[in-house]
Amino acid sequence: DVKVTQSSRYLVKRTGEKVFLECVQDMDHENMFWYRQDPGLGLRLIYFSYDVKMKEKGDIPEGYSVSREKKERFSLILESASTNQTSMYLCASTLSGDQLSEQYFGPGTRLTVT
Amino acid sequence: GQNIDQPTEMTATEGAIVQINCTYQTSGFNGLFWYQQHAGEAPTFLSYNVLDGLEEKGRFSSFLSRSKGYSYLLLKELQMKDSASYLCAGLDSNYQLIWGAGTKLIIKP
Repeated sequence: DVKVTQSSRYLVKRTGEKVFLECVQDMDHENMFWYRQDPGLGLRLIYFSYDVKMKEKGDIPEGYSVSREKKERFSLILESASTNQTSMYLCASTLSGDQLSEQYFGPGTRLTVT
Repeated sequence: GQNIDQPTEMTATEGAIVQINCTYQTSGFNGLFWYQQHAGEAPTFLSYNVLDGLEEKGRFSSFLSRSKGYSYLLLKELQMKDSASYLCAGLDSNYQLIWGAGTKLIIKP
């Protein structure tokens, strides 16, 4: 079974702090994604990566950056956390080169910025 | 613009059948996904349709009509464990997923 893990289930940070969310997948998947999920809204894509050291902006990249130094690990960075970044953050991975194939999701990190 | 519409919440009775509808407007179309998400958990894949028609997978079936921009997820013989949110997502011409807000399904005994 594919397993996608995220570093924390719950995180509380203060405004202005730099926040690191980490995601690791164990199935040698090429592609990794970061989403945020807010009540009443669909999943919104923040960034994705099709290869090591490669990144592409999604729909809402502002205020975020990412790092993919190793194939299995994809990190989301909030440079200076703000209260409007309070959300559930979901990491996902897929085997093939686009979003056509099934996405495997991590359990999510619920981030609260105070 | 691109949009996925699905009902916010539905209630059904254990043992019954429920149909969750999804309408989509995407720039081009390369298929439609359904995912299940239990509260506090990760979404998990249920189905993918790209051709018109009904695909059955055990108690769950998914239907697609490309001409109508419409899909539904049919759940039969409902069980309490089916209480979850069901997410509809359309794949556009750039193979990017457009997600609906999800339908929260409440199953009552």
